[in-house]
Amino acid sequence: LAKTTQPISMDSYEGQEVNITCSHNNIATNDYITWYQQFPSQGPRFIIQGYKTKVTNEVASLFIPADRKSSTLSLPRVSLSDTAVYYCLVGDTPYNQGGKLIFGQGTELSVKP
Amino acid sequence: DAGVTQSPTHLIKTRGQQVTLRCSPKSGHDTVSWYQQALGQGPQFIFQYYEEEERQRGNFPDRFSGHQFPNYSSELNVNALLLGDSALYLCASRNLRLAGGGNEQFFGPGTRLTVL
Repeated sequence: LAKTTQPISMDSYEGQEVNITCSHNNIATNDYITWYQQFPSQGPRFIIQGYKTKVTNEVASLFIPADRKSSTLSLPRVSLSDTAVYYCLVGDTPYNQGGKLIFGQGTELSVKP
Repeated sequence: DAGVTQSPTHLIKTRGQQVTLRCSPKSGHDTVSWYQQALGQGPQFIFQYYEEEERQRGNFPDRFSGHQFPNYSSELNVNALLLGDSALYLCASRNLRLAGGGNEQFFGPGTRLTVL
């Protein structure tokens, strides 16, 4: 499974767009890129997943360049409730790797008023 | 539709004791995974159960064992507790057959275990 590197922490203000970049230089052809969000004392929550180019849902956008060696999670107009730890995960499909998720340290995002 | 539920929410044990944690997966899910999350760290994969069998295991000693029941619920057992076992224990579920591509799993709120 490819190793991921992301900033340990980030600060932002309400209403700003936040971009968290994750490096995964050894990503394999079959790997997907997945982001989870975790609030204190809660389990992680799936945010978004992609394989290439751009994916957008009601919560975030995920940008993946052509070489797939990095990805950027974009949170539009953050609010105080977006303060959480964000994890970037890279892994094969559940069928091949059994759904084992490898979490790194994550990025602790702090949104200030 | 209930999501993943775990019990108890908090637990305090002493070194050497044994503990059992319980998890009910989200409705329609057939696969349960367990994770250990130490303070300030990301969750670490313990093992996964599907069709009542352990399918994959992380780097955890045999003191950690589990079980999956016919209704897909699961238990995590930890024997001979150590101080280092203090952590948030998370259960995650998904439907293996319908997962398709990708790794979306649904996590429960966790059980906070404190070993004194």
